[in-house]
Amino acid sequence: EVQLVESGGGLVQPGRSLRLSCVASGFTFNEHAMHWVRRTPGKGLEWVSGVSWASENMAYADSVKGRFTISRDNARNSLYLQMDSLRVEDTAFYYCVKDRGSSGAEYFQQWGQGTLVTVSS
Amino acid sequence: QLVLTQSPSASASLGASIKLTCTLDSGHKNFAIAWHQQRSEKGPRFLMKLGSDGSQTKGDGIPDRFSGSSSGSERYLTISSLQSEDEADYYCQTWGTGFHVVFGGGTKLTVL
Repeated sequence: EVQLVESGGGLVQPGRSLRLSCVASGFTFNEHAMHWVRRTPGKGLEWVSGVSWASENMAYADSVKGRFTISRDNARNSLYLQMDSLRVEDTAFYYCVKDRGSSGAEYFQQWGQGTLVTVSS
Repeated sequence: QLVLTQSPSASASLGASIKLTCTLDSGHKNFAIAWHQQRSEKGPRFLMKLGSDGSQTKGDGIPDRFSGSSSGSERYLTISSLQSEDEADYYCQTWGTGFHVVFGGGTKLTVL
């Protein structure tokens, strides 16, 4: 059974940092691109960042570019999101997502349950 | 510009059928999409990939009550024999070159 388990969310003040983690199981992690997607309160889904299977390609939404960094450790079947200079508008549930493809984005085959990040003073 | 458009809300009675629509912009009407379901307080769930020719690749364990179809720039998700557990937000998703990912605004389905 494919499982994606996120952790690392919490309450943080504006301007501070947080690191999200996602542990994957049930599939060959190093054969798939991975993503972070968020859902803000009262709004829809927003793609945040993606990384290819070997980390040679990464991309970010304009709203987080320069502040967030995606990474992965294939030996640990893990995906990470380092979030710096957090803003109130970054408050959201963050989901770890498995892509059908390996090098870029295709369709999203599996989602985690999410971890809540709240940015507030 | 790659854009997906969904109606914000829909409703139907228990046991009935409903057809949700996701519309691609005219410049990308041949693109495939994916449908995802998000129930309250849950992570999203992949339902199916839907091609421009109506071909479908379903996620694991998705019931036959869920089906997809395509016509021109429109992609449909039909849910038959509606159950209370189908009350959820439904999102379409598509992708371009590289890491270009687009979501529709989502449709909130209410089962009456």
